[in-house]
Amino acid sequence: ELKVEQNPLFLSMQEGKNYTIYCNYSTTSDRLYWYRQDPGKSLESLFVLLSNGAVKQEGRLMASLDTKARLSTLHITAAVHDLSATYFCAVVGWSSGYALNFGKGTSLLVTP
Amino acid sequence: NAGVTQTPKFQVLKTGQSMTLQCAQDMNHEYMSWYRQDPGMGLRLIHYSVGAGITDQGEVPNGYNVSRSTTEDFPLRLLSAAPSQTSVYFCASSYRGSETQYFGPGTRLLVL
Repeated sequence: ELKVEQNPLFLSMQEGKNYTIYCNYSTTSDRLYWYRQDPGKSLESLFVLLSNGAVKQEGRLMASLDTKARLSTLHITAAVHDLSATYFCAVVGWSSGYALNFGKGTSLLVTP
Repeated sequence: NAGVTQTPKFQVLKTGQSMTLQCAQDMNHEYMSWYRQDPGMGLRLIHYSVGAGITDQGEVPNGYNVSRSTTEDFPLRLLSAAPSQTSVYFCASSYRGSETQYFGPGTRLLVL
């Protein structure tokens, strides 16, 4: 059974600071997603990482994937309040028709 | 394209009532899936389908039925609602080889 673990689950950080969210998964998968969710909204796709060593950046967010370690990171640089949201990583379960296995999410609050 | 649509947006049920959550996509995607989201639990897979006429169970299938008679529609049925099924339900679709998973806006269900 594919398990996905995220940490931390809650993160309060000051504006301007840097931090990293970690996502570990238990079995081989070569497709990892990062999503953002605002309260009461659906999921917004941030990144899709497809291969070992993949790195993608968008604004203050950068995601990377190490398939050998089964680890992905989402790095936040110089946080701003607008980044406050819940962030999920998810891994494709090939035995379940491209459906996703999600981590429990990281609730991020950026304060002045 | 309308993408992935879900109806209703919000529903209140009494324990023991039945209802169907609708999910439709107009992108001719073969893969569709249903998730439930509960606080602190992330999104968990209920059922998925890899094409018309083919469905299978995910992580938390008990209390839910699905069918896939057409490529476009993937309804989720609650035969006898229970308070434990109070949740937000998301439908998603994709196709073979796609990097993108398309999520619907969600249905918020309250079972009293």
